[in-house]
Amino acid sequence: GAGVSQTPSNKVTEKGKYVELRCDPISGHTALYWYRQSLGQGPEFLIYFQGTGAADDSGLPNDRFFAVRPEGSVSTLKIQRTERGDSAVYLCASSSGAYTEAFFGQGTRLTVV
Amino acid sequence: DQQVKQNSPSLSVQEGRISILNCDYTNSMFDYFLWYKKYPAEGPTFLISISSIKDKNEDGRFTVFLNKSAKHLSLHIVPYQPGDSAVYFCAASAQNSGAGSYQLTFGKGTKLSVIP
Repeated sequence: GAGVSQTPSNKVTEKGKYVELRCDPISGHTALYWYRQSLGQGPEFLIYFQGTGAADDSGLPNDRFFAVRPEGSVSTLKIQRTERGDSAVYLCASSSGAYTEAFFGQGTRLTVV
Repeated sequence: DQQVKQNSPSLSVQEGRISILNCDYTNSMFDYFLWYKKYPAEGPTFLISISSIKDKNEDGRFTVFLNKSAKHLSLHIVPYQPGDSAVYFCAASAQNSGAGSYQLTFGKGTKLSVIP
C-alpha cells in the first residue's frame, strides 16, 4: 500500500501489561512521528524520528513509553506497565522532510482495562 | 497552555454556502501551518498548508489565509458539500527553529456539519 500502515487497529490490554504498536511509514519518508489523541482533543506529539534516530522525544509522557526505528523504516512504540490513562488512539505519521505535509495512518485504538 | 486554538468546537453550514474555520496561535516561532480533516475511526487527512512567507494558498475548493501579525489563520471551503462534514484540525510547526524537529502542534478541532 502507498499510505502509512498501523497495526493493530485495536488493542485491548489489562492494566500493568506491556504493549507494542507498529507503524509502517510511506516508503522513502525519512521523518516519522508518533502522536496520541484522546477523546475531544487534537493529536498530541510524542516522538519524532529522522532516519533511525529519535531526534525529538520531548512529548513522551514518562519512561514507560519508548519507541524505536532500527532500520529507518518501520517503527514500534512500546508501552510498559500500561495504565488506564494510556487509553487513547495512537497515530503514526511520516513525511519527506521540512515544509512538507505529514501523512497519517488510521491509528491504533488502545484500551487499558 | 494551548499554543494552537480553535475556539469553535462545532460549526453548521448550508450546502452550497461558504464554510470558514478559524484558528489562532501564540507561538511566534511557528512558520508552517496545515489543515487536516478527520472522519471517525480514520487518521487525519491532509488538506492544505501554508508557509509563513505567504498570506494565502488555494487548492481547489480550499483556501487558507494567514495573518501573521494577528497570529490567525482561516480555512475557507467553497462551496460546502455534504462530504465535507468532518472534524477539521489546524496544526502548526516551527520548522526553522533550529531544534531539528518538524513536530506538529494541533488545535482541538472544529466539527463541521451540514444544516439540513
